[in-house]
Amino acid sequence: LAKTTQPISMDSYEGQEVNITCSHNNIATNDYITWYQQFPSQGPRFIIQGYKTKVTNEVASLFIPADRKSSTLSLPRVSLSDTAVYYCLVGDTDAGKSTFGDGTTLTVKP
Amino acid sequence: EAGVVQSPRYKIIEKKQPVAFWCNPISGHNTLYWYRQNLGQGPELLIRYENEEAVDDSQLPKDRFSAERLKGVDSTLKIQPAELGDSAVYLCASSSRQGAPDTQYFGPGTRLTVL
Repeated sequence: LAKTTQPISMDSYEGQEVNITCSHNNIATNDYITWYQQFPSQGPRFIIQGYKTKVTNEVASLFIPADRKSSTLSLPRVSLSDTAVYYCLVGDTDAGKSTFGDGTTLTVKP
Repeated sequence: EAGVVQSPRYKIIEKKQPVAFWCNPISGHNTLYWYRQNLGQGPELLIRYENEEAVDDSQLPKDRFSAERLKGVDSTLKIQPAELGDSAVYLCASSSRQGAPDTQYFGPGTRLTVL
């Protein structure tokens, strides 16, 4: 399983764009990159998933360079409610194999 | 659409006692996961089911943990006997082959405290 490395924590202010980068140097050909968000006392919630280039949904964008050894989750104009832990997962989704790391704790300040 | 349901939400027991957690996945989801999450860490997979078959239980401590998913729907995770180190949040998730690959939907978890 591909190991991921994320910053332990990040701080931001309301209205700013936040970029969280995840390193996954040994990503395999069949691996997808998935990001989850977790609030206290809740289970993780799917945010976005991609394989290559750029993916955008109503919540976030995911940027994946050509070598796929890293990925960046971009949250536009964060608010206080975006304060949470963000997990990057890399794995072969067809095999149901992907592993959570310890995530990045994002704190949005007023 | 109802989400993943787990019960109980909280459980406090003394060490050496048994405990069981119940999970009802999203209707139609064939894949069910049990995770354990320690404070300040990411979820750790314990077992994964495809329908009623446990296809990955390599991280399940089989001396004291057991799980079942009869009829491929609800699932129960049991610990017997519980140890102090088992205090954690136990998360259940489910997924379907439809939609984004391996998108897991999580329940709220059961917070276990072993005294």
